[in-house]
Amino acid sequence: QSALTQPASVSGSPGQSITISCTGTSSDVGGYNYVSWYQQHPGKAPKLMIYEVSNRPSGVSNRFSGSKSGNTASLTISGLQAEDEADYYCSSYTSSSTLRYVFGTGTKVTVL
Amino acid sequence: QVQLQQSGPGLVKPSQTLSLTCAISGDSVSSNSAAWNWIRQSPSRGLEWLGRTYYRSKWYNDYAVSVKSRITINPDTSKNQFSLQLNSVTPEDTAVYYCAVAGGGYFQHWGQGTLVTVSS
Repeated sequence: QSALTQPASVSGSPGQSITISCTGTSSDVGGYNYVSWYQQHPGKAPKLMIYEVSNRPSGVSNRFSGSKSGNTASLTISGLQAEDEADYYCSSYTSSSTLRYVFGTGTKVTVL
Repeated sequence: QVQLQQSGPGLVKPSQTLSLTCAISGDSVSSNSAAWNWIRQSPSRGLEWLGRTYYRSKWYNDYAVSVKSRITINPDTSKNQFSLQLNSVTPEDTAVYYCAVAGGGYFQHWGQGTLVTVSS
C-alpha cells in the first residue's frame, strides 16, 4: 500500500486561493467518502480540518473546503492568511489488506 | 471535548520494547462509536497508521501488516486509557508517536505526540 500522492509544496500570496491535490486509487480515495485533511504546524500534532471529503468540524474556518473527483481529492484554502502556513496531509480509509488508513505524502503551504 | 494525554519513555534500546500509554478524558475507551488508534510520523516514512482497538459488544484490533508481528494495542477500562507495545525495535522505529481517536473514517482528536528514539 503506497502513500497517497500530494504535491510537495504549494504557495500563494495573502488573500489568494490555493488547492492541494491528493491522488490515490479506487481502493482508497476513489472507493470511499472517508477522505480527511489535516493541518500540522511545526512541533504540533495534526489537526482535523476536513472530514468525509467536504465536511468541516466545528471551529474550522469556512475558508477551508474539500472535494473529490474519482481517485483525486482536493483541499482548497481561500483568502489565504499567514496562519495557514503549515504542512497539510490527506488521509483515506482503505480496503487494502495491509492496513485500514493511508496518509498522503504531505504538502508544505507557504504564504508569500 | 475529547482530550488524549500520552506518556512513556522517549528513549528505547534496540531489540527492546517500546511502550506508550494514552489517557482519555471526555470519552470512554469502551465507547461503541469510537476507535482508538496509534499513528507515527518520521521523515523517512511520513505519517503511518499502526493499528487500533475498539469495542463493539466485544473488543477488536486491527494492525498494519508492516508491524503486525511486533505490535499490541490494549485497552485498559479501569484507567480509561489504551496502550501501544512495539517489540524488537530498531532505529527505523524512531519516530514521533501519536494516539488518536476516530469516530468514523477520520481522526478527530490527537494526543500531543511522543518522540521515541531507538538508540543504544
